[in-house]
Amino acid sequence: DAGVTQSPTHLIKTRGQQVTLRCSPISGHKSVSWYQQVLGQGPQFIFQYYEKEERGRGNFPDRFSARQFPNYSSELNVNALLLGDSALYLCASSLGQGVNQPQHFGDGTRLSIL
Amino acid sequence: GESVGLHLPTLSVQEGDNSIINCAYSNSASDYFIWYKQESGKGPQFIIDIRSNMDKRQGQRVTVLLNKTVKHLSLQIAATQPGDSAVYFCAETFTSGTYKYIFGTGTRLKVLA
Repeated sequence: DAGVTQSPTHLIKTRGQQVTLRCSPISGHKSVSWYQQVLGQGPQFIFQYYEKEERGRGNFPDRFSARQFPNYSSELNVNALLLGDSALYLCASSLGQGVNQPQHFGDGTRLSIL
Repeated sequence: GESVGLHLPTLSVQEGDNSIINCAYSNSASDYFIWYKQESGKGPQFIIDIRSNMDKRQGQRVTVLLNKTVKHLSLQIAATQPGDSAVYFCAETFTSGTYKYIFGTGTRLKVLA
């Protein structure tokens, strides 16, 4: 079975631009979460979506937004990109919310801001 | 290629020895804990999990210990192999909340031949 898939794998943007990152969860998983991982640190929570609704938001500015589609795939959008947005963006899926089942991560999208 | 965890604490062990990686978690209300392994250029890979009503859980070559009194988690890897070289993260969550994971700072494990 396919794991969590993310696209694109790498992306280069300039300051002020906008970016959309995509994620397909493991089949049967209804919850998708997004994390930002800066080099040398652990992943930081951005959003969680479950059944197409936002269920959690981390400490990120409103430039970050996301949505989940009827097929449970998800997009993360970042507007007005800053140099500090350069990071690995990880998507994770799990069966549901409030369930003691681990989140499974994709290999991420490496975003570089010039 | 780019490496995860360039400035993380590093644990170096001889191949075949046992490894112990420690983690202090932050929230006394957290009730579910997970260890992940992250290799360079990859996303975190699930290793083992433990619920707060347990203090020990064993998997294949790995054991997780939970001490809620001092908010401490450890991962023991038996007979460490070169393929175990990676950055290891613990994560905590409160399953009645938003189910966000809070990750620790990570430890780089280097296996010496």
